[in-house]
Amino acid sequence: GQNIDQPTEMTATEGAIVQINCTYQTSGFNGLFWYQQHAGEAPTFLSYNVLDGLEEKGRFSSFLSRSKGYSYLLLKELQMKDSASYLCAVRDDQGGSYIPTFGRGTSLIVHP
Amino acid sequence: DTGVSQDPRHKITKRGQNVTFRCDPISEHNRLYWYRQTLGQGPEFLTYFQNEAQLEKSRLLSDRFSAERPKGSFSTLEIQRTEQGDSAMYLCASGHTEAFFGQGTRLTVV
Repeated sequence: GQNIDQPTEMTATEGAIVQINCTYQTSGFNGLFWYQQHAGEAPTFLSYNVLDGLEEKGRFSSFLSRSKGYSYLLLKELQMKDSASYLCAVRDDQGGSYIPTFGRGTSLIVHP
Repeated sequence: DTGVSQDPRHKITKRGQNVTFRCDPISEHNRLYWYRQTLGQGPEFLTYFQNEAQLEKSRLLSDRFSAERPKGSFSTLEIQRTEQGDSAMYLCASGHTEAFFGQGTRLTVV
């Protein structure tokens, strides 16, 4: 299985940049996902990394280093609506099931 | 609406009763997942289907839980003899690479 670690909570100021880190341990890495989840709602897909490097998508970017078992989600020009939980999920290919396993999530609080 | 649909959205049941939830995935997705989420935690994997075949089931899933996906379309998750510890959000997701989640069924066992 996987061991996924991310900070429990972070705070940031509107308009600023925040980086949410995720470290993982897995024996058959097959992709890393970031999801956003507002309170009481379902997770929504943000990004997918399977190769090393940075993937940019508007205000959000995600980075992956497979050799270090490390990823981060970078949020720029923070808005109040970005206050949410951010979930890191790792998929491995053991048994061919390709099941994403989620971390506990990082609760981001954006204040004015 | 072509997203993942779950029914019901909320369910309150008495301890010991059986409950069944339904998930309608995005039509072209052959992978379907069930997760359970409690407050402050990430989604916890329960079971996985590839078309109609249930290929993986969490070791954490007791015998009271069963899931089906007849004909590889919609899926049902049944919990028998519910316990208070079963209170959680039950999430269904479907996809090819990334998983798209439904709105979930919030179960409260009283």
